[in-house]
Amino acid sequence: DTAVSQTPKYLVTQMGNDKSIKCEQNLGHDTMYWYKQDSKKFLKIMFSYNNKELIINETVPNRFSPKSPDKAHLNLHINSLELGDSAVYFCASSQGQGRSETQYFGPGTRLLVL
Amino acid sequence: RKEVEQDPGPFNVPEGATVAFNCTYSNSASQSFFWYRQDCRKEPKLLMSVYSSGNEDGRFTAQLNRASQYISLLIRDSKLSDSATYLCVVNDPSNTGKLIFGQGTTLQVKP
Repeated sequence: DTAVSQTPKYLVTQMGNDKSIKCEQNLGHDTMYWYKQDSKKFLKIMFSYNNKELIINETVPNRFSPKSPDKAHLNLHINSLELGDSAVYFCASSQGQGRSETQYFGPGTRLLVL
Repeated sequence: RKEVEQDPGPFNVPEGATVAFNCTYSNSASQSFFWYRQDCRKEPKLLMSVYSSGNEDGRFTAQLNRASQYISLLIRDSKLSDSATYLCVVNDPSNTGKLIFGQGTTLQVKP
């Protein structure tokens, strides 16, 4: 009965590789997000989609490309991985994009780039 | 200046203690405020929203001072299970759903 799920949970890969992380929510929410939590524990928004439309696109290298095939899924593809991409990536969803909406987070994907 | 600032701690307290965390935010146009809790190696989860009049949920009390751009969380009668990182969160006024997270304050409750 997982509300927001992500795969894989762990990802260890070499510099220069391309990898994808998948996210799915079964809450019927319209809005989904990708966050990055670095080693200093800061959680920062990367992207958001509302009903498959890109809403937030923070200053993220264009090696990162989100894709939302439908409103229940938001995937993140990363090209040419770099050491600095090592972090925990969290997917989240909310009913809408209103300012009072609660965001529900997935369990995170721990990415280590060697 | 960070958009949301918190003392990272750690705060080490005995069971039963009362502990308070503070947070300041830089954008006076922010309208919504939250405390999220993050356990070690887990995802953040909403603990409580923070309202202008202050609000309480069991042992937890949140306060907001808009004039000072200051948010607080008070935990009474600390339990071992309260050990976690508490994230102060503020909405971005852009109305896109963007949340701005503080670095978090780590609480360790000892027996």
